[in-house]
Amino acid sequence: AQTVTQSQPEMSVQEAETVTLSCTYDTSESDYYLFWYKQPPSRQMILVIRQEAYKQQNATENRFSVNFQKAAKSFSLKISDSQLGDAAMYFCAYRDKAAGNKLTFGGGTRVLVKP
Amino acid sequence: EPEVTQTPSHQVTQMGQEVILRCVPISNHLYFYWYRQILGQKVEFLVSFYNNEISEKSEIFDDQFSVERPDGSNFTLKIRSTKLEDSAMYFCASSEALGGRGEQYFGPGTRLTVT
Repeated sequence: AQTVTQSQPEMSVQEAETVTLSCTYDTSESDYYLFWYKQPPSRQMILVIRQEAYKQQNATENRFSVNFQKAAKSFSLKISDSQLGDAAMYFCAYRDKAAGNKLTFGGGTRVLVKP
Repeated sequence: EPEVTQTPSHQVTQMGQEVILRCVPISNHLYFYWYRQILGQKVEFLVSFYNNEISEKSEIFDDQFSVERPDGSNFTLKIRSTKLEDSAMYFCASSEALGGRGEQYFGPGTRLTVT
């Protein structure tokens, strides 16, 4: 079974600075998708960024970018120019391409942004 | 922008009672999901639903749980006889497709409190 691990329960960043969140996963599949979801205090899960495993190029969405290391099974999220609105729980998630559509989530990292 | 909606936002029920959580997926989406998040824990997959039948379910989704799409717009999760450990946030999600990018859009969640 696939597992997703986020080793940082909490990260703190100064406004306008950069923070990197770690995620590792375990799978025997070669083709899959990886996601980062943001969960603000409102609790709604918001998709931040996605990465397809067969694509070597790292995904970027505005201030959010990933560092995808397939051999190492690592998928970190970098938030640049952090804003107060970035404060939230961030969940890394895995989806197998072949076996259904379910998402497997990591335990989450709480991001605190200091003004 | 279309969004997934869920009602109620908060449901309090007594142990042993039946509850129905309601979701309205995005209108052109064909795949529907329920996840739950016990307070302080990771988000867990419960069930996926397509073409009026369950396509995948987790070991959490036992005989106490059922899902239904009673009409063309609603997607419901029923818990027949609630237990204290069913207290959690329940998220509905939908996706347009299976495979491809197949990104799942989440609703705001229903907080279920079993007393």
